[in-house]
Amino acid sequence: EPEVTQTPSHQVTQMGQEVILRCVPISNHLYFYWYRQILGQKVEFLVSFYNNEISEKSEIFDDQFSVERPDGSNFTLKIRSTKLEDSAMYFCASSEQGMNEQYFGPGTRLTVT
Amino acid sequence: KQEVTQIPAALSVPEGENLVLNCSFTDSAIYNLQWFRQDPGKGLTSLLLIQSSQREQTSGRLNASLDKSSGRSTLYIAASQPGDSATYLCAVSRNNAGNMLTFGGGTRLMVKP
Repeated sequence: EPEVTQTPSHQVTQMGQEVILRCVPISNHLYFYWYRQILGQKVEFLVSFYNNEISEKSEIFDDQFSVERPDGSNFTLKIRSTKLEDSAMYFCASSEQGMNEQYFGPGTRLTVT
Repeated sequence: KQEVTQIPAALSVPEGENLVLNCSFTDSAIYNLQWFRQDPGKGLTSLLLIQSSQREQTSGRLNASLDKSSGRSTLYIAASQPGDSATYLCAVSRNNAGNMLTFGGGTRLMVKP
């Protein structure tokens, strides 16, 4: 069964460093998303992406964040200068159409020290 | 702003019991509602998607209902098993292009053998 994959599973970085989280969405899906979950808190929406542009973004998704689909398979989230409060589990998701079921990857645990 | 609440926050039941998890949302202008399962430290597994025009969806021992006008959904699990132990999340999407999901805080379920 097709699934969303994410790499790395765990990333440790120092405050101020740039990180890139990678995702491979399900191959025939057209809509891509990033969410995050700070330990013990709700899953929060960051951004949705379709047709090579951002469809919607939350207040969390400020100028420190960017997304890119560099090729036909990968979807990346970049955090330019990480802060301690960026420590969280980051989930990538994809859906076939905009209002269809979203399928989530296993997540990348980001730890900022 | 949409708020999603799940009650109870935690539930412990003996194996074999039928149980109901509750989800409520403040803004009834939703497009669909999705139930997920999350195992500790893992990603989200989609269980059921209910479109706003539907009243319920069934998958195996799971049945989800939706009452859009009153802002409620329930997830019914029949004949619970220890393998059902996990956190169950509900999430709603707005009727717009971005398809962002707004999540509840989850119900942590433990099924004891």
